[in-house]
Amino acid sequence: DTAVSQTPKYLVTQMGNDKSIKCEQNLGHDTMYWYKQDSKKFLKIMFSYNNKELIINETVPNRFSPKSPDKAHLNLHINSLELGDSAVYFCASSQGDPGRPQHFGDGTRLSIL
Amino acid sequence: ILNVEQSPQSLHVQEGDSTNFTCSFPSSNFYALHWYRWETAKSPEALFVMTLNGDEKKKGRISATLNTKEGYSYLYIKGSQPEDSATYLCAFVRNFNKFYFGSGTKLNVKP
Repeated sequence: DTAVSQTPKYLVTQMGNDKSIKCEQNLGHDTMYWYKQDSKKFLKIMFSYNNKELIINETVPNRFSPKSPDKAHLNLHINSLELGDSAVYFCASSQGDPGRPQHFGDGTRLSIL
Repeated sequence: ILNVEQSPQSLHVQEGDSTNFTCSFPSSNFYALHWYRWETAKSPEALFVMTLNGDEKKKGRISATLNTKEGYSYLYIKGSQPEDSATYLCAFVRNFNKFYFGSGTKLNVKP
């Protein structure tokens, strides 16, 4: 069983569209994260939720909106997609505070045409 | 802008060689330091999380040390094997909720 699963794995869409990426974890963790891997391959944190509550909200455009319906899910919705949004997005989860190791999904490659 | 620097960027070693690389981070407001192993076409896999100055962790042939006062961590691999080939990432956690990843050290172990 996949511990942290993201869907879709690949997403190709037009500029201006709205899209969502889903993330689910079956590890029983209470904290989930979204990262963006930039063009220089750095992983940059975007958001983190603990028990469905937003605890980390980095400086990202407000076109990006995370939604956590329950502890096991953290979805990322992106409005009005722009060319610069093209990247690989990773979801991760951990138990408790940021001093605990994170388990990552396989990433979603988003390409904007 | 906060920099987490990893060196070297890439490393090529022969099977059986021992190797080490560095993660440098700011020494203020330290909360934790993570090490991850990231194989091509896979997702990052946690190796260690260290929280105390002087921490040393070991997992098989891989070990890590931490110096929070001077702001660095070393990762050591003893007797490298081809299956150790991967990118090794560190992540500095500041003030509980600020995460900063380095760009990684790409290790290639030749048989």
